Amino acid sequence: AQSVAQPEDQVNVAEGNPLTVKCTYSVSGNPYLFWYVQYPNRGLQFLLKYITGDNLVKGSYGFEAEFNKSQTSFHLKKPSALVSDSALYFCVVPPSNTGKLIFGQGTTLQVKP
Amino acid sequence: NAGVTQTPKFRVLKTGQSMTLLCAQDMNHEYMYWYRQDPGMGLRLIHYSVGEGTTAKGEVPDGYNVSRLKKQNFLLGLESAAPSQTSVYFCASSFVGSNQPQHFGDGTRLSIL
Repeated sequence: AQSVAQPEDQVNVAEGNPLTVKCTYSVSGNPYLFWYVQYPNRGLQFLLKYITGDNLVKGSYGFEAEFNKSQTSFHLKKPSALVSDSALYFCVVPPSNTGKLIFGQGTTLQVKP
Repeated sequence: NAGVTQTPKFRVLKTGQSMTLLCAQDMNHEYMYWYRQDPGMGLRLIHYSVGEGTTAKGEVPDGYNVSRLKKQNFLLGLESAAPSQTSVYFCASSFVGSNQPQHFGDGTRLSIL
Protein backbone atom coordinates (compact mmCIF):
# COMPACT_ATOMS: atom_id res chain seq x y z
CA ALA A 1 0.00 0.00 0.00
CA GLN A 2 1.19 3.49 -0.78
CA SER A 3 1.77 5.85 2.11
CA VAL A 4 3.55 8.93 3.35
CA ALA A 5 4.88 9.62 6.82
CA GLN A 6 5.74 12.86 8.55
CA PRO A 7 7.76 11.83 11.60
CA GLU A 8 7.47 15.14 13.47
CA ASP A 9 4.19 16.46 14.84
CA GLN A 10 5.75 19.87 15.40
CA VAL A 11 8.85 21.73 14.29
CA ASN A 12 10.04 24.86 16.09
CA VAL A 13 12.36 27.31 14.39
CA ALA A 14 13.60 30.81 15.12
CA GLU A 15 12.83 33.47 12.53
CA GLY A 16 15.68 33.81 10.06
CA ASN A 17 16.93 30.27 10.59
CA PRO A 18 16.62 27.55 7.96
CA LEU A 19 13.73 25.12 8.34
CA THR A 20 13.15 21.51 7.33
CA VAL A 21 9.90 19.59 7.51
CA LYS A 22 10.45 15.88 6.93
CA CYS A 23 8.49 13.43 4.79
CA THR A 24 9.17 9.84 3.79
CA TYR A 25 7.13 7.88 1.31
CA SER A 26 6.31 4.36 0.31
CA VAL A 27 5.18 4.32 -3.31
CA SER A 28 5.50 1.72 -6.02
CA GLY A 29 7.10 2.93 -9.22
CA ASN A 30 8.02 6.54 -9.81
CA PRO A 31 6.21 8.75 -7.31
CA TYR A 32 4.43 12.02 -7.68
CA LEU A 33 4.79 13.97 -4.44
CA PHE A 34 3.22 17.19 -3.22
CA TRP A 35 3.50 19.59 -0.33
CA TYR A 36 0.51 21.59 0.88
CA VAL A 37 0.22 24.23 3.62
CA GLN A 38 -2.81 25.01 5.76
CA TYR A 39 -3.08 28.30 7.60
CA PRO A 40 -5.53 28.60 10.52
CA ASN A 41 -9.18 28.48 9.44
CA ARG A 42 -8.22 28.15 5.79
CA GLY A 43 -8.17 25.39 3.20
CA LEU A 44 -5.03 23.67 2.01
CA GLN A 45 -2.81 25.55 -0.42
CA PHE A 46 -0.53 23.84 -2.92
CA LEU A 47 3.16 24.65 -2.40
CA LEU A 48 5.10 22.46 -4.81
CA LYS A 49 5.27 19.09 -6.50
CA TYR A 50 7.80 16.55 -7.70
CA ILE A 51 6.94 14.79 -10.93
CA THR A 52 10.25 13.87 -12.51
CA GLY A 53 13.58 15.46 -13.33
CA ASP A 54 15.52 17.69 -10.95
CA ASN A 55 15.62 16.42 -7.40
CA LEU A 56 15.37 19.96 -6.02
CA VAL A 57 11.92 21.41 -6.61
CA LYS A 58 11.17 25.08 -6.06
CA GLY A 59 7.72 26.25 -5.03
CA SER A 60 5.68 29.10 -3.63
CA TYR A 61 6.71 31.51 -0.86
CA GLY A 62 10.42 30.60 -1.11
CA PHE A 63 9.92 26.94 -0.23
CA GLU A 64 11.75 24.11 -1.91
CA ALA A 65 11.83 20.36 -1.49
CA GLU A 66 14.51 17.76 -2.08
CA PHE A 67 13.54 14.41 -3.56
CA ASN A 68 15.84 11.57 -2.51
CA LYS A 69 15.00 8.25 -4.09
CA SER A 70 17.52 6.18 -2.14
CA GLN A 71 16.18 7.47 1.17
CA THR A 72 12.56 7.61 -0.08
CA SER A 73 12.30 11.13 1.30
CA PHE A 74 10.84 14.43 0.14
CA HIS A 75 11.79 16.99 2.78
CA LEU A 76 10.45 20.55 2.63
CA LYS A 77 12.99 23.31 3.18
CA LYS A 78 13.33 27.06 3.34
CA PRO A 79 16.61 28.93 3.81
CA SER A 80 15.23 31.62 6.12
CA ALA A 81 12.00 31.11 8.07
CA LEU A 82 9.40 33.83 8.60
CA VAL A 83 6.90 34.08 11.45
CA SER A 84 4.20 34.05 8.76
CA ASP A 85 5.35 30.55 7.71
CA SER A 86 3.80 29.19 10.91
CA ALA A 87 1.14 26.74 9.72
CA LEU A 88 0.28 23.08 9.26
CA TYR A 89 2.19 21.32 6.47
CA PHE A 90 1.10 18.15 4.66
CA CYS A 91 3.13 15.81 2.50
CA VAL A 92 0.83 14.17 -0.04
CA VAL A 93 0.98 11.41 -2.65
CA PRO A 94 -1.61 10.67 -5.35
CA PRO A 95 -1.78 6.88 -5.65
CA SER A 96 -3.99 6.64 -8.69
CA ASN A 97 -5.28 8.58 -11.63
CA THR A 98 -8.61 9.28 -9.97
CA GLY A 99 -7.09 12.24 -8.22
CA LYS A 100 -7.37 10.67 -4.79
CA LEU A 101 -4.69 11.84 -2.40
CA ILE A 102 -2.95 10.15 0.50
CA PHE A 103 -2.05 12.67 3.19
CA GLY A 104 0.66 12.52 5.78
CA GLN A 105 -0.53 13.27 9.29
CA GLY A 106 0.73 16.84 9.08
CA THR A 107 3.50 18.79 10.78
CA THR A 108 2.85 22.02 12.65
CA LEU A 109 5.58 24.56 12.00
CA GLN A 110 6.08 27.24 14.64
CA VAL A 111 8.41 30.08 13.74
CA LYS A 112 9.24 32.30 16.70
CA PRO A 113 10.45 35.89 16.44
CA ASN B 1 -11.09 34.16 -10.23
CA ALA B 2 -12.79 33.09 -7.03
CA GLY B 3 -11.27 29.58 -7.17
CA VAL B 4 -13.21 27.14 -4.99
CA THR B 5 -16.09 28.62 -3.00
CA GLN B 6 -17.90 26.76 -0.24
CA THR B 7 -21.21 27.75 1.29
CA PRO B 8 -22.12 28.04 4.07
CA LYS B 9 -18.97 28.75 6.09
CA PHE B 10 -20.52 27.75 9.42
CA ARG B 11 -23.59 25.80 10.43
CA VAL B 12 -25.08 24.27 13.54
CA LEU B 13 -27.57 21.45 13.16
CA LYS B 14 -29.59 19.29 15.47
CA THR B 15 -29.30 15.52 15.29
CA GLY B 16 -31.58 14.18 12.56
CA GLN B 17 -31.73 17.37 10.52
CA SER B 18 -30.66 17.42 6.90
CA MET B 19 -28.59 19.91 4.98
CA THR B 20 -26.64 20.43 1.77
CA LEU B 21 -23.17 21.90 1.44
CA LEU B 22 -22.43 23.62 -1.83
CA CYS B 23 -19.09 23.76 -3.61
CA ALA B 24 -18.52 25.86 -6.72
CA GLN B 25 -15.36 26.17 -8.80
CA ASP B 26 -14.63 28.53 -11.68
CA MET B 27 -11.44 26.91 -12.99
CA ASN B 28 -13.10 24.47 -15.41
CA HIS B 29 -11.75 21.52 -13.42
CA GLU B 30 -12.98 18.04 -14.27
CA TYR B 31 -12.39 16.47 -10.87
CA MET B 32 -14.03 17.54 -7.61
CA TYR B 33 -13.76 16.12 -4.10
CA TRP B 34 -15.27 16.35 -0.64
CA TYR B 35 -13.07 15.79 2.43
CA ARG B 36 -13.60 16.00 6.13
CA GLN B 37 -10.89 17.08 8.54
CA ASP B 38 -10.94 15.99 12.15
CA PRO B 39 -8.33 16.54 14.87
CA GLY B 40 -5.71 13.81 14.76
CA MET B 41 -7.29 12.20 11.68
CA GLY B 42 -5.97 14.36 8.89
CA LEU B 43 -8.10 14.74 5.77
CA ARG B 44 -10.32 11.87 4.69
CA LEU B 45 -12.01 11.62 1.32
CA ILE B 46 -15.80 11.31 1.50
CA HIS B 47 -16.86 11.26 -2.16
CA TYR B 48 -15.39 12.47 -5.40
CA SER B 49 -16.37 13.09 -9.00
CA VAL B 50 -14.34 12.69 -12.17
CA GLY B 51 -16.84 14.53 -14.32
CA GLU B 52 -20.32 15.98 -14.65
CA GLY B 53 -22.94 13.39 -13.79
CA THR B 54 -20.50 10.93 -12.18
CA THR B 55 -19.69 10.36 -8.52
CA ALA B 56 -17.78 7.75 -6.56
CA LYS B 57 -17.25 6.77 -2.94
CA GLY B 58 -14.13 7.72 -1.07
CA GLU B 59 -12.76 6.54 2.22
CA VAL B 60 -15.66 7.53 4.52
CA PRO B 61 -18.88 7.79 2.44
CA ASP B 62 -21.46 6.49 4.94
CA GLY B 63 -24.10 9.03 5.91
CA TYR B 64 -23.36 11.32 2.97
CA ASN B 65 -24.64 11.69 -0.56
CA VAL B 66 -23.35 13.82 -3.42
CA SER B 67 -24.45 15.13 -6.78
CA ARG B 68 -22.61 16.70 -9.69
CA LEU B 69 -25.31 17.98 -12.03
CA LYS B 70 -23.14 20.78 -13.38
CA LYS B 71 -19.41 20.68 -13.99
CA GLN B 72 -18.75 23.64 -11.75
CA ASN B 73 -20.81 22.48 -8.76
CA PHE B 74 -20.48 19.57 -6.34
CA LEU B 75 -23.06 19.16 -3.59
CA LEU B 76 -22.62 17.21 -0.37
CA GLY B 77 -25.78 16.16 1.46
CA LEU B 78 -26.35 14.94 4.97
CA GLU B 79 -29.73 13.21 5.06
CA SER B 80 -29.95 12.70 8.83
CA ALA B 81 -27.14 14.45 10.68
CA ALA B 82 -25.37 12.68 13.53
CA PRO B 83 -22.96 14.12 16.12
CA SER B 84 -20.17 12.00 14.58
CA GLN B 85 -20.47 14.17 11.49
CA THR B 86 -19.31 17.25 13.38
CA SER B 87 -16.25 18.26 11.42
CA VAL B 88 -14.71 20.73 9.01
CA TYR B 89 -15.63 19.90 5.44
CA PHE B 90 -13.39 20.86 2.53
CA CYS B 91 -14.15 20.82 -1.14
CA ALA B 92 -11.38 20.62 -3.72
CA SER B 93 -11.07 20.48 -7.49
CA SER B 94 -8.38 19.67 -10.02
CA PHE B 95 -7.65 19.03 -13.66
CA VAL B 96 -7.43 15.45 -14.90
CA GLY B 97 -4.29 13.54 -13.93
CA SER B 98 -2.65 12.44 -10.71
CA ASN B 99 0.13 14.99 -11.21
CA GLN B 100 -2.34 17.87 -11.02
CA PRO B 101 -2.58 19.73 -7.69
CA GLN B 102 -5.92 20.07 -6.00
CA HIS B 103 -7.33 23.50 -5.18
CA PHE B 104 -9.21 23.72 -1.89
CA GLY B 105 -11.98 25.91 -0.57
CA ASP B 106 -11.79 27.45 2.90
CA GLY B 107 -14.07 24.91 4.48
CA THR B 108 -17.47 24.60 6.13
CA ARG B 109 -17.43 24.22 9.89
CA LEU B 110 -20.35 22.01 10.84
CA SER B 111 -21.48 21.26 14.38
CA ILE B 112 -24.20 18.74 15.10
CA LEU B 113 -25.77 18.83 18.53
